[in-house]
Amino acid sequence: GENVEQHPSTLSVQEGDSAVIKCTYSDSASNYFPWYKQELGKGPQLIIDIRSNVGEKKDQRIAVTLNKTAKHFSLHITETQPEDSAVYFCAAKGSGGSNYKLTFGKGTLLTVNP
Amino acid sequence: DTAVSQTPKYLVTQMGNDKSIKCEQNLGHDTMYWYKQDSKKFLKIMFSYNNKELIINETVPNRFSPKSPDKAHLNLHINSLELGDSAVYFCASSQVGRYNEQFFGPGTRLTVL
Repeated sequence: GENVEQHPSTLSVQEGDSAVIKCTYSDSASNYFPWYKQELGKGPQLIIDIRSNVGEKKDQRIAVTLNKTAKHFSLHITETQPEDSAVYFCAAKGSGGSNYKLTFGKGTLLTVNP
Repeated sequence: DTAVSQTPKYLVTQMGNDKSIKCEQNLGHDTMYWYKQDSKKFLKIMFSYNNKELIINETVPNRFSPKSPDKAHLNLHINSLELGDSAVYFCASSQVGRYNEQFFGPGTRLTVL
C-alpha cells in the first residue's frame, strides 16, 4: 500500500519568514496530493491540493510543488504569520482499488514566532 | 451552513461501556469516512462507506461497528470501551471521482477512564 513520509516533524520560524514542508510517497500510481491544516481543537481543513498532471499550484501565500519522477511534493508558505501556526498534514491518494483512500503523513507542527 | 458535523464533541465514559458517535454531512457527497487521531496526532483511516456500502475496513477491533443509514449519515458504535480507545475521532466526506477531496468534521474527543 501507499506510504507517505513527512518532514520535518516540527518547524519554528520567525514571522515573515518562509516555511517549507516536504513529503515523499511510495505508490507511483498516486494521482492526488492534498494538504491539510489542523488548528488546535479543530478538524483538518483542506488548504491546497495538487493533481498529478500539474507540477506547481499557488494560492496567495501558499504553494505546492510536485515532482512525480522523484515521488515527492512540498508545501511552501511565504510571509508567515502567527495565525499560520498549526499542524500541517500532507496526504496522497492511490488509484484503482485504493481510489477511496487517503494516506496521511505524520504531520508537521509549525510555530510562527511574532 | 454546508458542513460535516459530529456529535458529541466530547465524550467521557468508563471502561466497559458502549457509546456511539454520530456524523452528518450536507455536502451531497456519496462517501463518508471515520478516522482516529491518536495522541501523537497521527491520522488513521478506520472505515469508509460509499452509497451506504462498506468499502474500507482497516484493521480495527470488531468492537467498532460503523453504520450508514443513508448517504448523509455515518455513525460509529463502540462496544466494551478500553483505555486505548481514547483518541479524537474524525468523520469526513467526499464525492468519489478521480481526485476525491475529503472534508473533515470538527472531531469527537473520546476519553475512557
